[in-house]
Amino acid sequence: QKEVEQDPGPLSVPEGAIVSLNCTYSNSAFQYFMWYRQYSRKGPELLMYTYSSGNKEDGRFTAQVDKSSKYISLFIRDSQPSDSATYLCASAGNNRKLIWGLGTSLAVNP
Amino acid sequence: EAGVAQSPRYKIIEKRQSVAFWCNPISGHATLYWYQQILGQGPKLLIQFQNNGVVDDSQLPKDRFSAERLKGVDSTLKIQPAKLEDSAVYLCASSLNNEQFFGPGTRLTVL
Repeated sequence: QKEVEQDPGPLSVPEGAIVSLNCTYSNSAFQYFMWYRQYSRKGPELLMYTYSSGNKEDGRFTAQVDKSSKYISLFIRDSQPSDSATYLCASAGNNRKLIWGLGTSLAVNP
Repeated sequence: EAGVAQSPRYKIIEKRQSVAFWCNPISGHATLYWYQQILGQGPKLLIQFQNNGVVDDSQLPKDRFSAERLKGVDSTLKIQPAKLEDSAVYLCASSLNNEQFFGPGTRLTVL
């Protein structure tokens, strides 16, 4: 079992839809949870960073961490074609070594 | 603020040849990472430097891969000899605190 599991998709939604992206993790020592966005032929860029459990909102993006179920979510409201990218979740323990999911490919269709 | 710079952006070589990648991190970032990202997968950490010292190289195939960061700034990653399975994007990242900033990557194709 991988330490961080993520459905690779692909996921295709119409413009304006609410997108839900999810990961699960197995290591209960993980405390740091990130979502990165990666456009084609670019490096990943950090979207959301959460420490421990709870929600974090930034504009159209909301990250949720449920440590009891070891579940990580990213919600995108009012999705735009410019949101089309691969979304990678990553988790880390106190050593800050990132353990990555496979990434979910998202296409938002105009 | 300038981002992480990498070169070359693309490289095509034949198996058994050698290749080197260069990374210039964001100014002032003490920690530098090299990742390998195979198509359809998340990045895999190859090596982590703190200034010019190695923190983690547990997943670096040391029989063929080497990396250095001599003055604690720029870094080079070398593969010698390359194998077909080394075809991937090699990402460099740097960090000051918790956030890692990535460069655009070098796409390596081994024929």
